[in-house]
Amino acid sequence: NAGVTQTPKFQVLKTGQSMTLQCAQDMNHEYMSWYRQDPGMGLRLIHYSVGAGITDQGEVPNGYNVSRSTTEDFPLRLLSAAPSQTSVYFCASSLVGDTEAFFGQGTRLTVV
Amino acid sequence: GDSVTQMEGPVTLSEEAFLTINCTYTATGYPSLFWYVQYPGEGLQLLLKATKADDKGSNKGFEATYRKETTSFHLEKGSVQVSDSAVYFCALSDPMNYGGSQGNLIFGKGTKLSVKP
Repeated sequence: NAGVTQTPKFQVLKTGQSMTLQCAQDMNHEYMSWYRQDPGMGLRLIHYSVGAGITDQGEVPNGYNVSRSTTEDFPLRLLSAAPSQTSVYFCASSLVGDTEAFFGQGTRLTVV
Repeated sequence: GDSVTQMEGPVTLSEEAFLTINCTYTATGYPSLFWYVQYPGEGLQLLLKATKADDKGSNKGFEATYRKETTSFHLEKGSVQVSDSAVYFCALSDPMNYGGSQGNLIFGKGTKLSVKP
């Protein structure tokens, strides 16, 4: 079972560059979310989606875009990377009405 | 808004010691409560959960009871092992948040546990 797959695992960007973090799940989950994990901050919600074609903002959405064209995929785009976006990013998914979220293994992003 | 507060770490224990990690929450609705565990270099895994007051979640020797009167969900284990070394996150899912989605979580800051042989 693949579960939630994130790519890449590691990435270094220069300030101002753009990139897309990929997230795919094979569990037919309606809900998908992106979190960032920073030291001493826990995980904070960036964006989420309750189904294909529907996305909304979480706690810290600035500097990030998302789209959800299929149930399986939920990419996170950084339009112009900044050092403040250096973090570990986690994608998660879950079923409607179920309270267990499944997490990917994370993407460690460094912006220099 | 909703929030989760858990005890600061790191926590260092000897093998077979008793573990308690405190967690309290603030929520506007009737949240579900969770403990997630993150082993080094990995993503988060659900450890246990409780969806209503007085429920007890348990897994792998860990347990936590949903106490609405004290808004708490403390994690306990009677005898820790070296393999329990990890970061533990308390979290809640509130249907009043984010358009009523229960798929999204509010996390505490995490508590790093190290167990020495």
